[in-house]
Amino acid sequence: GNSVTQMEGPVTLSEEAFLTINCTYTATGYPSLFWYVQYPGEGLQLLLKATKADDKGSNKGFEATYRKETTSFHLEKGSVQVSDSAVYFCAQWGGGGADGLTFGKGTHLIIQP
Amino acid sequence: GAGVSQSPRYKVAKRGQDVALRCDPISGHVSLFWYQQALGQGPEFLTYFQNEAQLDKSGLPSDRFFAERPEGSVSTLKIQRTQQEDSAVYLCASSLATSGSTDTQYFGPGTRLTVL
Repeated sequence: GNSVTQMEGPVTLSEEAFLTINCTYTATGYPSLFWYVQYPGEGLQLLLKATKADDKGSNKGFEATYRKETTSFHLEKGSVQVSDSAVYFCAQWGGGGADGLTFGKGTHLIIQP
Repeated sequence: GAGVSQSPRYKVAKRGQDVALRCDPISGHVSLFWYQQALGQGPEFLTYFQNEAQLDKSGLPSDRFFAERPEGSVSTLKIQRTQQEDSAVYLCASSLATSGSTDTQYFGPGTRLTVL
């Protein structure tokens, strides 16, 4: 079935460092891809999304590009802040599986001042 | 505007008890989803409603799990004869569109269920 694999955490970085969180997917069709974020004590929020190959999603300085050839959707940010500390989930929807989102296990990001 | 709300936020049940979890989606949202999130894991899909019709229940782990959305708005997830392995956070999400994977799902805060 469909699946999402993302790098395991925790990932610990210093403030202003460059961030990459890897995400790859398997799907029978052509899914849309999402990054959700869960800040401490809060619910899941959509961070960004891309709906077709070569689309780039961006928000709050974060970017991810839908790469069909490598079935990847890696999350990047050029300069992280302490406030970016959260759990990040990569997800896919519509790739021929069940009607809901298929999530990765999540990556806990810790930014130190 | 109001987001997705869920109640109760926390529920403790003794093994064997029945529980009911409520979800109020964003007004006007056609699609409603339930997910189960175990500790340290990503959410896993349980079931999907389009208005009052339950179109996909492939993720429900057993016949002890039952969901309904009788008027196409509020939804209830019921778990009968709870077991310890049912302990998790139950998330509800809604989206505006009738179908299509380009839409955004908006999540509620979740109900944390602990079965003793």
